[in-house]
Amino acid sequence: GAVVSQHPSRVICKSGTSVKIECRSLDFQATTMFWYRQFPKQSLMLMATSNEGSKATYEQGVEKDKFLINHASLTLSTLTVTSAHPEDSSFYICSARSAGVGWSMSSYEQYFGPGTRLTVT
Amino acid sequence: GQNIDQPTEMTATEGAIVQINCTYQTSGFNGLFWYQQHAGEAPTFLSYNVLDGLEEKGRFSSFLSRSKGYSYLLLKELQMKDSASYLCAVRDAGGATNKLIFGTGTLLAVQP
Repeated sequence: GAVVSQHPSRVICKSGTSVKIECRSLDFQATTMFWYRQFPKQSLMLMATSNEGSKATYEQGVEKDKFLINHASLTLSTLTVTSAHPEDSSFYICSARSAGVGWSMSSYEQYFGPGTRLTVT
Repeated sequence: GQNIDQPTEMTATEGAIVQINCTYQTSGFNGLFWYQQHAGEAPTFLSYNVLDGLEEKGRFSSFLSRSKGYSYLLLKELQMKDSASYLCAVRDAGGATNKLIFGTGTLLAVQP
């Protein structure tokens, strides 16, 4: 099956520093990757959608200058949290969608990474 | 706007059956997904409905009524390991991305 990895799984950083999170599709090409944020006991909130080779599309209320997304290849997307603050502490999850053919769920199914726990002190 | 509602918490007994409801109002619709998420882990796929009716998959079944904007996830023969959050997500048909919009999630506690 399709596997998506994230690195690091956990990171602790000081307020004001930047943190980069990588999301990789290991055995398929991901034309589209999604970044979600999840606060404790809440559901997943979509932050942005990135397509390989183009600028990310951010959801309303998400600061694009603070959360930098780069989707440089069909297997790698990165999320950089710039000038992190304690309120940015959250569980960040990426998902990747394969470039399928035809009308089938597999064409559009998203595969989720294991998540990255960010703690800003 | 986009609105997907689920009960916040539910409790059920081991061996029993539980139904988790989801109602949605979205600008577009291109399928409904159910995911299971254990604390601190990523969501795992459970089921997918795009046409009205019931989809059965082992102990899990999911139902969809597009006209009512309603779905439910049915879990049979509950096990302790089924204690988790269950997320309903609608795939938005708008635009080229077909993004998933997640509901609030239902935290299910299975008791002995």
